[in-house]
Amino acid sequence: AQSVTQLGSHVSVSEGALVLLRCNYSSSVPPYLFWYVQYPNQGLQLLLKYTTGATLVKGINGFEAEFKKSETSFHLTKPSAHMSDAAEYFCAVSEIFNNNDMRFGAGTRLTVKP
Amino acid sequence: SQTIHQWPATLVQPVGSPLSLECTVEGTSNPNLYWYRQAAGRGLQLLFYSIGIDQISSEVPQNLSASRPQDRQFILSSKKLLLSDSGFYLCAWSVRDYGYTFGSGTRLTVV
Repeated sequence: AQSVTQLGSHVSVSEGALVLLRCNYSSSVPPYLFWYVQYPNQGLQLLLKYTTGATLVKGINGFEAEFKKSETSFHLTKPSAHMSDAAEYFCAVSEIFNNNDMRFGAGTRLTVKP
Repeated sequence: SQTIHQWPATLVQPVGSPLSLECTVEGTSNPNLYWYRQAAGRGLQLLFYSIGIDQISSEVPQNLSASRPQDRQFILSSKKLLLSDSGFYLCAWSVRDYGYTFGSGTRLTVV
Protein backbone atom coordinates (compact mmCIF):
# COMPACT_ATOMS: atom_id res chain seq x y z
CA ALA A 1 0.00 0.00 0.00
CA GLN A 2 1.11 3.53 -0.67
CA SER A 3 2.46 5.77 2.05
CA VAL A 4 3.86 9.22 2.61
CA THR A 5 6.64 10.49 4.83
CA GLN A 6 6.95 14.15 5.65
CA LEU A 7 10.38 15.05 6.95
CA GLY A 8 10.17 17.49 9.80
CA SER A 9 7.07 17.92 11.92
CA HIS A 10 7.94 21.59 12.46
CA VAL A 11 9.61 24.04 10.12
CA SER A 12 10.36 27.64 11.01
CA VAL A 13 11.36 30.30 8.50
CA SER A 14 11.69 34.05 8.52
CA GLU A 15 9.31 36.20 6.54
CA GLY A 16 10.65 36.54 3.01
CA ALA A 17 12.77 33.38 3.22
CA LEU A 18 12.41 30.27 1.09
CA VAL A 19 9.89 27.71 2.25
CA LEU A 20 10.78 24.05 1.67
CA LEU A 21 8.56 21.28 3.03
CA ARG A 22 9.71 17.78 2.26
CA CYS A 23 7.59 14.84 1.21
CA ASN A 24 8.64 11.36 0.10
CA TYR A 25 6.19 8.75 -1.05
CA SER A 26 6.00 5.03 -1.59
CA SER A 27 3.71 3.57 -4.21
CA SER A 28 3.61 0.40 -6.28
CA VAL A 29 2.04 2.22 -9.23
CA PRO A 30 2.46 5.72 -10.66
CA PRO A 31 1.06 7.93 -7.93
CA TYR A 32 -1.20 10.93 -7.73
CA LEU A 33 0.30 13.40 -5.27
CA PHE A 34 -1.23 16.26 -3.36
CA TRP A 35 -0.42 19.03 -0.94
CA TYR A 36 -3.06 20.37 1.42
CA VAL A 37 -2.95 23.28 3.85
CA GLN A 38 -4.85 23.46 7.13
CA TYR A 39 -5.35 26.63 9.13
CA PRO A 40 -6.30 26.32 12.82
CA ASN A 41 -9.69 24.74 13.42
CA GLN A 42 -10.44 24.49 9.73
CA GLY A 43 -10.64 21.73 7.17
CA LEU A 44 -7.94 20.97 4.64
CA GLN A 45 -7.65 23.03 1.48
CA LEU A 46 -6.03 21.70 -1.67
CA LEU A 47 -2.87 23.62 -2.56
CA LEU A 48 -1.84 21.67 -5.63
CA LYS A 49 -1.83 18.22 -7.15
CA TYR A 50 0.20 16.16 -9.56
CA THR A 51 -1.63 13.72 -11.78
CA THR A 52 0.23 13.36 -15.08
CA GLY A 53 2.24 15.57 -17.41
CA ALA A 54 4.45 18.40 -16.25
CA THR A 55 6.37 17.43 -13.15
CA LEU A 56 6.51 20.99 -11.80
CA VAL A 57 3.11 21.86 -10.47
CA LYS A 58 2.02 25.34 -9.47
CA GLY A 59 -0.65 25.88 -6.88
CA ILE A 60 -2.39 28.60 -4.99
CA ASN A 61 -0.74 31.23 -2.81
CA GLY A 62 2.53 31.06 -4.74
CA PHE A 63 3.37 27.48 -3.82
CA GLU A 64 4.76 24.90 -6.20
CA ALA A 65 5.95 21.32 -6.00
CA GLU A 66 8.06 19.10 -8.22
CA PHE A 67 7.44 15.42 -8.78
CA LYS A 68 10.76 13.56 -8.90
CA LYS A 69 10.20 9.93 -9.67
CA SER A 70 13.84 8.95 -9.24
CA GLU A 71 13.83 10.39 -5.73
CA THR A 72 10.22 9.42 -4.93
CA SER A 73 9.76 12.98 -3.72
CA PHE A 74 7.20 15.75 -4.02
CA HIS A 75 8.64 18.66 -2.04
CA LEU A 76 6.65 21.86 -1.60
CA THR A 77 8.35 25.22 -2.07
CA LYS A 78 7.61 28.91 -2.03
CA PRO A 79 10.30 31.49 -2.84
CA SER A 80 9.29 34.02 -0.20
CA ALA A 81 7.36 33.21 2.96
CA HIS A 82 4.54 35.41 4.15
CA MET A 83 3.12 35.55 7.65
CA SER A 84 -0.18 34.23 6.30
CA ASP A 85 1.58 31.00 5.22
CA ALA A 86 1.78 29.86 8.84
CA ALA A 87 -0.32 26.69 8.93
CA GLU A 88 -0.05 22.92 8.85
CA TYR A 89 0.75 21.27 5.54
CA PHE A 90 -0.10 17.73 4.53
CA CYS A 91 1.29 15.71 1.70
CA ALA A 92 -0.90 12.91 0.35
CA VAL A 93 -0.67 10.08 -2.17
CA SER A 94 -3.26 7.98 -3.92
CA GLU A 95 -2.89 5.20 -6.43
CA ILE A 96 -4.24 5.76 -9.89
CA PHE A 97 -7.87 4.73 -10.41
CA ASN A 98 -8.35 4.14 -6.72
CA ASN A 99 -8.80 7.41 -4.95
CA ASN A 100 -10.63 5.68 -2.12
CA ASP A 101 -7.22 4.97 -0.78
CA MET A 102 -5.55 8.32 -0.31
CA ARG A 103 -2.95 8.33 2.42
CA PHE A 104 -1.79 11.45 4.23
CA GLY A 105 1.51 12.28 5.81
CA ALA A 106 1.72 13.25 9.47
CA GLY A 107 1.86 16.93 8.58
CA THR A 108 4.41 19.72 8.89
CA ARG A 109 3.64 22.79 10.93
CA LEU A 110 5.10 25.89 9.31
CA THR A 111 5.93 28.87 11.50
CA VAL A 112 6.84 32.20 9.91
CA LYS A 113 8.86 34.62 12.01
CA PRO A 114 8.65 38.36 11.41
CA SER B 1 -20.72 24.27 -7.48
CA GLN B 2 -20.04 21.52 -5.05
CA THR B 3 -20.10 22.25 -1.34
CA ILE B 4 -19.78 20.20 1.78
CA HIS B 5 -21.45 20.98 5.07
CA GLN B 6 -20.35 19.57 8.37
CA TRP B 7 -21.87 20.24 11.78
CA PRO B 8 -21.66 21.05 14.55
CA ALA B 9 -18.42 23.02 14.53
CA THR B 10 -17.69 22.28 18.18
CA LEU B 11 -19.10 19.79 20.61
CA VAL B 12 -18.45 19.00 24.27
CA GLN B 13 -19.87 15.69 25.40
CA PRO B 14 -19.58 13.68 28.64
CA VAL B 15 -18.03 10.24 28.68
CA GLY B 16 -20.63 7.60 27.96
CA SER B 17 -22.95 9.88 26.00
CA PRO B 18 -23.95 9.19 22.38
CA LEU B 19 -22.58 11.03 19.37
CA SER B 20 -23.94 11.99 15.98
CA LEU B 21 -21.98 14.10 13.51
CA GLU B 22 -23.48 14.85 10.16
CA CYS B 23 -21.99 15.69 6.81
CA THR B 24 -23.87 16.55 3.63
CA VAL B 25 -22.66 17.28 0.14
CA GLU B 26 -24.32 19.49 -2.45
CA GLY B 27 -23.82 19.82 -6.17
CA THR B 28 -22.63 16.33 -6.97
CA SER B 29 -24.00 12.84 -7.29
CA ASN B 30 -22.66 9.54 -6.03
CA PRO B 31 -19.60 10.96 -4.30
CA ASN B 32 -17.16 8.90 -2.31
CA LEU B 33 -17.44 10.07 1.29
CA TYR B 34 -14.90 9.88 4.10
CA TRP B 35 -14.59 10.45 7.83
CA TYR B 36 -11.18 11.33 9.21
CA ARG B 37 -10.03 12.02 12.74
CA GLN B 38 -7.18 14.29 13.64
CA ALA B 39 -5.89 13.96 17.19
CA ALA B 40 -3.98 16.85 18.72
CA GLY B 41 -0.57 17.17 17.11
CA ARG B 42 -1.10 14.15 14.92
CA GLY B 43 -1.92 13.48 11.32
CA LEU B 44 -5.11 12.34 9.69
CA GLN B 45 -6.54 8.94 10.46
CA LEU B 46 -9.08 7.53 8.02
CA LEU B 47 -11.99 6.13 10.00
CA PHE B 48 -14.60 5.22 7.38
CA TYR B 49 -15.25 5.60 3.71
CA SER B 50 -18.30 5.00 1.57
CA ILE B 51 -18.66 4.47 -2.16
CA GLY B 52 -22.46 4.43 -2.08
CA ILE B 53 -25.63 4.29 0.00
CA ASP B 54 -25.30 1.78 2.85
CA GLN B 55 -21.80 0.84 1.63
CA ILE B 56 -19.41 1.59 4.47
CA SER B 57 -15.85 0.44 4.93
CA SER B 58 -14.16 0.72 8.28
CA GLU B 59 -10.43 1.30 8.40
CA VAL B 60 -9.86 0.77 12.10
CA PRO B 61 -11.82 -1.06 14.81
CA GLN B 62 -13.09 1.42 17.36
CA ASN B 63 -15.94 2.86 19.31
CA LEU B 64 -17.42 4.62 16.29
CA SER B 65 -19.72 3.68 13.43
CA ALA B 66 -20.80 5.36 10.21
CA SER B 67 -23.90 5.31 8.08
CA ARG B 68 -24.90 6.65 4.70
CA PRO B 69 -28.70 6.72 4.57
CA GLN B 70 -28.77 8.97 1.50
CA ASP B 71 -26.40 9.52 -1.41
CA ARG B 72 -25.10 12.84 -0.10
CA GLN B 73 -25.35 12.27 3.64
CA PHE B 74 -22.73 10.68 5.82
CA ILE B 75 -23.17 10.27 9.57
CA LEU B 76 -20.61 9.41 12.23
CA SER B 77 -22.00 7.93 15.42
CA SER B 78 -21.13 6.44 18.74
CA LYS B 79 -23.33 4.83 21.37
CA LYS B 80 -20.98 5.64 24.25
CA LEU B 81 -18.16 8.12 23.93
CA LEU B 82 -14.73 7.52 25.43
CA LEU B 83 -12.19 10.13 26.44
CA SER B 84 -10.00 8.87 23.61
CA ASP B 85 -12.67 9.87 21.08
CA SER B 86 -11.74 13.52 21.53
CA GLY B 87 -10.31 15.09 18.41
CA PHE B 88 -11.01 17.01 15.26
CA TYR B 89 -13.32 15.14 12.88
CA LEU B 90 -13.26 15.89 9.19
CA CYS B 91 -15.65 14.81 6.50
CA ALA B 92 -14.50 14.76 2.88
CA TRP B 93 -15.79 13.81 -0.53
CA SER B 94 -14.30 12.94 -3.89
CA VAL B 95 -15.70 12.33 -7.34
CA ARG B 96 -13.17 10.88 -9.73
CA ASP B 97 -10.88 13.89 -9.59
CA TYR B 98 -8.17 12.29 -7.50
CA GLY B 99 -8.46 14.95 -4.85
CA TYR B 100 -10.54 15.35 -1.76
CA THR B 101 -12.68 18.29 -0.68
CA PHE B 102 -12.93 18.67 3.07
CA GLY B 103 -15.57 20.07 5.36
CA SER B 104 -14.71 22.62 8.00
CA GLY B 105 -14.46 20.02 10.74
CA THR B 106 -15.97 19.32 14.15
CA ARG B 107 -13.94 19.78 17.31
CA LEU B 108 -15.13 17.10 19.74
CA THR B 109 -14.11 17.23 23.37
CA VAL B 110 -15.15 14.36 25.58
CA VAL B 111 -15.09 15.26 29.28
